[in-house]
Amino acid sequence: EDQVTQSPEALRLQEGESSSLNCSYTVSGLRGLFWYRQDPGKGPEFLFTLYSAGEEKEKERLKATLTKKESFLHITAPKPEDSATYLCAVINFGNEKLTFGTGTRLTIIP
Amino acid sequence: DAGVTQSPTHLIKTRGQQVTLRCSPKSGHDTVSWYQQALGQGPQFIFQYYEEEERQRGNFPDRFSGHQFPNYSSELNVNALLLGDSALYLCASSWPSRGEDGYTFGSGTRLTVV
Repeated sequence: EDQVTQSPEALRLQEGESSSLNCSYTVSGLRGLFWYRQDPGKGPEFLFTLYSAGEEKEKERLKATLTKKESFLHITAPKPEDSATYLCAVINFGNEKLTFGTGTRLTIIP
Repeated sequence: DAGVTQSPTHLIKTRGQQVTLRCSPKSGHDTVSWYQQALGQGPQFIFQYYEEEERQRGNFPDRFSGHQFPNYSSELNVNALLLGDSALYLCASSWPSRGEDGYTFGSGTRLTVV
């Protein structure tokens, strides 16, 4: 059974204070690891897909990295509009479902 | 380019009733998956439809059923509603090549069972 654990559950940062969110995973054969952003009452918004250890992707203030056991979402100099819940999900070969973690609720204080 | 469209956005039902939720996939996508998200939790996979057939199912009872139409749109039906079925129901569409943005989610239907 695929498993995803995200930490911390919640994180409060001052505007401009950089930090990282962690996603640890157990999967039989990783086909892809996804990061999504979710605002309250909305559906998840796609951010990144990572496919193999060592891969990195960047988008504005966000950078996602992947190892064989975990992924990090680094946020550099965050702004209040970056406040949201960040979800990590994995999918394995021979499977069609995304397995999600419970998310990290990020709050950026002006 | 329209993304994934879900209807209705909110719904209140009484315990024991039946409900139907609808989803139109993103243009070019032919596969639809449904997820249930309880408050404070990550989305949980219900099932996936491709070529009008259920391709895979998660750990949900038979009260949850679905359908996919020839135009790739989909419905999720829940019978004999329980209070515990209250959640945000998300539809995600994708395409077989599973490219970079292969899983696109709609804004969801908030179901409240009273």
